[in-house]
Amino acid sequence: DAGVIQSPRHEVTEMGQEVTLRCKPISGHDYLFWYRQTMMRGLELLIYFNNNVPIDDSGMPEDRFSAKMPNASFSTLKIQPSEPRDSAVYFCASSSVSLSTDTQYFGPGTRLTVL
Amino acid sequence: GESVGLHLPTLSVQEGDNSIINCAYSNSASDYFIWYKQESGKGPQFIIDIRSNMDKRQGQRVTVLLNKTVKHLSLQIAATQPGDSAVYFCAENSGKLIFGQGTTLQVKP
Repeated sequence: DAGVIQSPRHEVTEMGQEVTLRCKPISGHDYLFWYRQTMMRGLELLIYFNNNVPIDDSGMPEDRFSAKMPNASFSTLKIQPSEPRDSAVYFCASSSVSLSTDTQYFGPGTRLTVL
Repeated sequence: GESVGLHLPTLSVQEGDNSIINCAYSNSASDYFIWYKQESGKGPQFIIDIRSNMDKRQGQRVTVLLNKTVKHLSLQIAATQPGDSAVYFCAENSGKLIFGQGTTLQVKP
């Protein structure tokens, strides 16, 4: 398996623009997670899905952020409009079956810079 | 509230020595703990995990110790190599994964 795939790897955009990050989880994994990593706040869980259904989005910072999972092999995280403080590395991760007993496998991340 | 923290932000060791990275957690209800390694420019990579019904688990060159009494977790790396240089995160999973801030391990040749 190729592991979790994320695109793009790097994104530079201007404030106010829409940004869409993409993720393909490991085949067969039922859980998909979106994280944000910054120096100040470390790794933060934004939202996670189980069987394509959003379960917990309490980590989504504000309404400018939205995430979708239209099928088992694809998810998007959208920021509209983007702001400089959204600059961070965004990771997607997936795991199988049980949330509490299975580790999560992370993608390589998307480094977002908002100017 | 829930929090997972690391005692030392940076650990510098000589190649060949053993490394010990420590972690404190606060949620006594957490039943599953994981250590991740993150190299520069990459996502966190699973190293080893341990469930709350265990106090020790060994992998290849790594050992995780869990002390539930004091809510402490440690990662021991035997014969540390330059390739072990990275940031190490502990995480507790009690419904969702909560990461500590990370410890940077520097291996001196």
